Amino acid sequence: EPEVTQTPSHQVTQMGQEVILRCVPISNHLYFYWYRQILGQKVEFLVSFYNNEISEKSEIFDDQFSVERPDGSNFTLKIRSTKLEDSAMYFCASTGGVQNQPQHFGDGTRLSIL
Amino acid sequence: EDQVTQSPEALRLQEGESSSLNCSYTVSGLRGLFWYRQDPGKGPEFLFTLYSAGEEKEKERLKATLTKKESFLHITAPKPEDSATYLCAVHSGSARQLTFGSGTQLTVLP
Repeated sequence: EPEVTQTPSHQVTQMGQEVILRCVPISNHLYFYWYRQILGQKVEFLVSFYNNEISEKSEIFDDQFSVERPDGSNFTLKIRSTKLEDSAMYFCASTGGVQNQPQHFGDGTRLSIL
Repeated sequence: EDQVTQSPEALRLQEGESSSLNCSYTVSGLRGLFWYRQDPGKGPEFLFTLYSAGEEKEKERLKATLTKKESFLHITAPKPEDSATYLCAVHSGSARQLTFGSGTQLTVLP
């Protein structure tokens, strides 16, 4: 069964450094998402991406964050200058073109900011 | 603003002891309600989508139902491998983002 893959599984970074989280969505999917889950808290929406542009973003997704689909398979989340409070699990998800289809999630990247 | 509340926060069952998890929601224009299972250190795994009140979906020991204000995930004769956190999420209006509840951590004891 096709799946969403994320790399790395764990990233440790010094505060203030840039980090790039990578995702390979399911191949025929058209909509891509990033969510985060701070330890012990809810899964929170960050951003959605369609047709090479951001379609929605939350208040969390400020100027520190950016997303990119650099080629036909990868989808990345960049955090420019990391803060301690960016420590969380970051999940990538994808879905097909029909609205209300379920989003399929990867297993996440655990980001630890020191 | 969409709100999703799940109860209980944690539930311990003996193997074979059936129970239900609750997800109550407040949204403007429900487009879909989703149930996911999340194992420790893993991403949410899709279980069910429900679109309208009265709808029911079943998969093995799990059955999801939907009313205008809440959804239930019924677990019949659970096994230890059903132990996980069960997440409820809603999709409303024209937005494609999901709003998640805090989840119910289910433990099934052998």
